[in-house]
Amino acid sequence: DTGVSQNPRHKITKRGQNVTFRCDPISEHNRLYWYRQTLGQGPEFLTYFQNEAQLEKSRLLSDRFSAERPKGSFSTLEIQRTEQGDSAMYLCASSVGTSSSNEQFFGPGTRLTVL
Amino acid sequence: DQQVKQNSPSLSVQEGRISILNCDYTNSMFDYFLWYKKYPAEGPTFLISISSIKDKNEDGRFTVFLNKSAKHLSLHIVPSQPGDSAVYFCAAVDSGTYKYIFGTGTRLKVLA
Repeated sequence: DTGVSQNPRHKITKRGQNVTFRCDPISEHNRLYWYRQTLGQGPEFLTYFQNEAQLEKSRLLSDRFSAERPKGSFSTLEIQRTEQGDSAMYLCASSVGTSSSNEQFFGPGTRLTVL
Repeated sequence: DQQVKQNSPSLSVQEGRISILNCDYTNSMFDYFLWYKKYPAEGPTFLISISSIKDKNEDGRFTVFLNKSAKHLSLHIVPSQPGDSAVYFCAAVDSGTYKYIFGTGTRLKVLA
């Protein structure tokens, strides 16, 4: 296992279209996180899963956003009716265990550009 | 409301000298802190961490200091190398969900 992978790495879409991103965490990592990073900012938390359960969603995650993690393995993040303000880097991270000291491992991100 | 702040957006240091990156936080409930390094077109990679029960953690050229009373942490890199040039993020861990709350980052440039 070489780490967290994300696909696609880049996505360009037109405003109003739907997009879906995929994250494959490190095997046996029970926690999976989605973050969004815009230019000049640090990553901002969007949502996280413990196994297949989605346990928290940020208020940044409008009703156009939905995330799933079927069977507690890979996860998908879908954005419906994309807007130009959705343009950002979407980062996925995974960790194992339930302690603050359990490091999150990040994927390379999916860069979304909404035209 | 920015709970984790990195007030220096950029820093330039000569190779071989010390780099000091600073981070301030507002929530006294944070109990674990991390530093991540990010290169362009890559995800953040873990560098070093510190628990709130410690005031210092060292790993090779990297040392993190935590001053809980001042709600301040710093990352020292010595000696700095050109390969250290990257954006550095500090992060505090939310003790309930273990989500990371990141600062805005400091771009370090180490000059050869």
